[in-house]
Amino acid sequence: DTGVSQNPRHKITKRGQNVTFRCDPISEHNRLYWYRQTLGQGPEFLTYFQNEAQLEKSRLLSDRFSAERPKGSFSTLEIQRTEQGDSAMYLCASSRQGNYNEQFFGPGTRLTVL
Amino acid sequence: SQQGEEDPQALSIQEGENATMNCSYKTSINNLQWYRQNSGRGLVHLILIRSNEREKHSGRLRVTLDTSKKSSSLLITASRAADTASYFCATAANTGNQFYFGTGTSLTVIP
Repeated sequence: DTGVSQNPRHKITKRGQNVTFRCDPISEHNRLYWYRQTLGQGPEFLTYFQNEAQLEKSRLLSDRFSAERPKGSFSTLEIQRTEQGDSAMYLCASSRQGNYNEQFFGPGTRLTVL
Repeated sequence: SQQGEEDPQALSIQEGENATMNCSYKTSINNLQWYRQNSGRGLVHLILIRSNEREKHSGRLRVTLDTSKKSSSLLITASRAADTASYFCATAANTGNQFYFGTGTSLTVIP
């Protein structure tokens, strides 16, 4: 499967714990995006990378959130000291140079904070 | 905050009928795209229309864009049960940067 993959698919954690999600984009895609989606809503942009550079961050990305893409390939999104309001689906997408307009989405990681 | 708003929020039709959903947005755009999301899954790109285009077709999909009204519509003709999903419009101010998604239309096609 050469699509965007995300791990884990589901994560249940207790409030206050740290969690980390991973996204593997399509291999030739140099842009990688993170979105958050809550039930009944559309995805909300969090941040995006071009290669290893983080080019834009949303105000939604509080200081408890950090994203990295150290080698310009896979990316991780870490949430520290999780809160119940962090419960959501976290979606990753990637796009390639020459066609940045078409973002390919992964299946998402569903986070539940108890 | 999300830029787009789709209506209706939910739509239920019989198989074979056409489905129309609308999207309104707030600011100037470079392009507008429609995505489909099956329950609990990621989004699938359907079609892109640029700000200088007024209509575009792809298979059973027809998209229109009216930049003066800041609105777009997605028409799915001859609907099938497999079209049951949520449909989102997404706008981009610049090429390939962040997308702003609407709240989505939940479409149910009854066999």
